[in-house]
Amino acid sequence: EAGVAQSPRYKIIEKRQSVAFWCNPISGHATLYWYQQILGQGPKLLIQFQNNGVVDDSQLPKDRFSAERLKGVDSTLKIQPAKLEDSAVYLCASSLSAGGLGGRLNIQYFGAGTRLSVL
Amino acid sequence: QQPVQSPQAVILREGEDAVINCSSSKALYSVHWYRQKHGEAPVFLMILLKGGEQKGHDKISASFNEKKQQSSLYLTASQLSYSGTYFCGTENGGANNLFFGTGTRLTVIP
Repeated sequence: EAGVAQSPRYKIIEKRQSVAFWCNPISGHATLYWYQQILGQGPKLLIQFQNNGVVDDSQLPKDRFSAERLKGVDSTLKIQPAKLEDSAVYLCASSLSAGGLGGRLNIQYFGAGTRLSVL
Repeated sequence: QQPVQSPQAVILREGEDAVINCSSSKALYSVHWYRQKHGEAPVFLMILLKGGEQKGHDKISASFNEKKQQSSLYLTASQLSYSGTYFCGTENGGANNLFFGTGTRLTVIP
């Protein structure tokens, strides 16, 4: 079974530029998550989709970050304009869970991530 | 709602044991444990559901104490391959997401 695919693996941009990340979750997984992981810290949830809809985007800096999930499958995360503090690894994960207390359905499978450096 | 892990870092010699703790201020429905090697994605290890369950995976096991809102990960007879950062992810109920802990960096040396 194919895992979660992310691209690109690495990106270097200058501040105030824009950048986009792409994620393809495991087939059949209803829920997709985007996390920001700053060096030495745990993953921090940015946005959570359930099928096409947004479940939680409370920690997404909406003035510069946006995300969409196309037809309930692939997703893109965009940053415009980027700031120095956006330098981090952006992880995408997916799970089978379709809402409520997931338990085993909530097990998340992660992609390899995109390492973003903002200069 | 981020759980707190302890210790922050630990260094072991091959064959030694370690315990990693995860503590939450919120009532827990489930606790997930992941391991992340440097430059790689977090990999799921095991899940513990409400009910005081204890699980094992090779020489890695975990316990879940609902009343104390805590979980512990036990690594016995550590191997070099156990090196990495361990995260707990807690499910508090409601939305089907996890809050990840601060991480524990485990280094196993020969």
